[in-house]
Amino acid sequence: AQSVSQHNHHVILSEAASLELGCNYSYGGTVNLFWYVQYPGQHLQLLLKYFSGDPLVKGIKGFEAEFIKSKFSFNLRKPSVQWSDTAEYFCAVNAGDTGRRALTFGSGTRLQVQP
Amino acid sequence: EAGVTQFPSHSVIEKGQTVTLRCDPISGHDNLYWYRRVMGKEIKFLLHFVKESKQDESGMPNNRFLAERTGGTYSTLKVQPAELEDSGVYFCASSQVRASWHTGELFFGEGSRLTVL
Repeated sequence: AQSVSQHNHHVILSEAASLELGCNYSYGGTVNLFWYVQYPGQHLQLLLKYFSGDPLVKGIKGFEAEFIKSKFSFNLRKPSVQWSDTAEYFCAVNAGDTGRRALTFGSGTRLQVQP
Repeated sequence: EAGVTQFPSHSVIEKGQTVTLRCDPISGHDNLYWYRRVMGKEIKFLLHFVKESKQDESGMPNNRFLAERTGGTYSTLKVQPAELEDSGVYFCASSQVRASWHTGELFFGEGSRLTVL
């Protein structure tokens, strides 16, 4: 079974600061990796995903994530955060070699950006 | 196009009572998932429907939980009898194609918050 670990539960940054949110997963096979975001009062939505190919993936709103297979990591980054990035961020994994479609989520990281 | 809708948005019940949560997926989406988040922890998978069939119910915690999707449209999740540890936010998500895990794009509802006193 897969599991996902998000190291930071709550991150507070000032606008224009750089962001990196950690995500590690445990699964020995092929994985599909995702970051979802939940803005205050809204539903979860997909930020970006990795299936294969270039391990550096770019998503919406200037976010990117890098898949490092040797470290079982898929950290989320943004060079300069905005107040509107205040949200909760969830890393998720899907076992790509089993056909099981359910996603396994981490516990989330709450990001607070101060103006 | 309407998104995934869930009802009620918040339900407060006493231990031992019954609650039924409803999810209306995006029209035409065959895949429907239920997830639960308890006390700020991880979002945990409960089960997956493909149309009206249960594809994977490995995440259902016990037999107090019953999910249905009659006719392959909306789904209900019934908790009977509810226990204190059932409190949390129940999310529903849907996706369109059978190979949705290739795209990974699940469309989520805003969740139903359940409080059991």
